[in-house]
Amino acid sequence: QVQLVQSGAEVKKPGASVKVSCKASGYTFTGYYMHWVRQAPGQGLEWMGWINPNSGGTNYAQKFQGRVTMTRDTSISTAYMELSRLRSDDTAVYYCARELAAAGTLDYWGQGTLVTVSS
Amino acid sequence: EIVLTQSPATLSLSPGERATLSCRASQSVSSYLAWYQQKPGQAPRLLIYDASNRATGIPARFSGSGSGTDFTLTISSLEPEDFAVYYCQQRSNWSFTFGPGTKVDIK
Repeated sequence: QVQLVQSGAEVKKPGASVKVSCKASGYTFTGYYMHWVRQAPGQGLEWMGWINPNSGGTNYAQKFQGRVTMTRDTSISTAYMELSRLRSDDTAVYYCARELAAAGTLDYWGQGTLVTVSS
Repeated sequence: EIVLTQSPATLSLSPGERATLSCRASQSVSSYLAWYQQKPGQAPRLLIYDASNRATGIPARFSGSGSGTDFTLTISSLEPEDFAVYYCQQRSNWSFTFGPGTKVDIK
């Protein structure tokens, strides 16, 4: 069965960077785009961007361009999202999610990783 | 960027009642519209994709309709486990956006 397992919670200081991992299993990792979505406490869902695990190509939401980097390691079926120059309003749960066969839909989600930015 | 608006923000209903949730796009998204359910402390779950197709394992009481700019998610008869927040999401020009969500709570 498809599973996306994310790394554990992080606490970072303002100005630092965080790197969240998402290990995929149960399907061909390189066959599906991987997206990252975040959710601030009590707020809605915010799309951050995607990576094509096959080519390494990426597309980032304009809001995060220059601060986010999405990468992957196909040898271990893992995607990564790194966010730099953290601010307090980056405190959120970060999710990875698989795109359903280029359908523009996210069919499987990781469990989420809480990133807390606090001095 | 295409903006999605959802209404109402909150829907207060009783189990067994019909729920009708609306999602409106600032410009046409064709049929590239999905709906997700999220419960507290959980990741979102895909319900509907391409406006009207139920995802695997989703009960038949959930249905989606619409195209262009106006979409509807209908829950024909609310079960206790359906009280949650519902988000619509669109894809255009390789980018995604989500609506602000509709909370369905118990009346």
